[in-house]
Amino acid sequence: GIQVEQSPPDLILQEGANSTLRCNFSDSVNNLQWFHQNPWGQLINLFYIPSGTKQNGRLSATTVATERYSLLYISSSQTTDSGVYFCAVSDTGGFKTIFGAGTRLFVKA
Amino acid sequence: KAGVTQTPRYLIKTRGQQVTLSCSPISGHRSVSWYQQTPGQGLQFLFEYFSETQRNKGNFPGRFSGRQFSNSRSEMNVSTLELGDSALYLCASSRNNEQFFGPGTRLTVL
Repeated sequence: GIQVEQSPPDLILQEGANSTLRCNFSDSVNNLQWFHQNPWGQLINLFYIPSGTKQNGRLSATTVATERYSLLYISSSQTTDSGVYFCAVSDTGGFKTIFGAGTRLFVKA
Repeated sequence: KAGVTQTPRYLIKTRGQQVTLSCSPISGHRSVSWYQQTPGQGLQFLFEYFSETQRNKGNFPGRFSGRQFSNSRSEMNVSTLELGDSALYLCASSRNNEQFFGPGTRLTVL
């Protein structure tokens, strides 16, 4: 099955810093999403991005499907950005979703 | 539009019991997926339903089962609970491949 690797596993930033989170996947995928899990466990949609580039405020994402990776950029980080960021992909059948292990981000004030 | 809802939010059971969790998808969404999240194993896919049919299943024992009703609401059942079943169970609904998650049910097995 598809393997999903996220890096780095942990990241500590000073408020205001920028960061790049990476998601590598081992095979062709139908879908790719980025999520932020808050301290209460809720998974919040950030981007649905099987290919191309999208931006939403301080966050942007790029997926290069042919090279099997996606990047999530966080600019001018804030303490509220802390939490775990997950990348999730669906196989070409589209009915099974595989999550990466996540990147745990802590933003210091 | 209301989001995905899951009930109950918290549950405590003892080993050997069985449990049923419920998920109501976003209106108009016909696909519902279930996931188990544990500190050791991360987020793992359990199964996916569309129009009352299970289209895919993850690598879980037969004690884990699910179903979907004609109104797209879904339930999952875990029989003969084990300590290792303690986890956050998340449900997601989707229409055009983008998944939206509910708040989860936190199950503790004592």
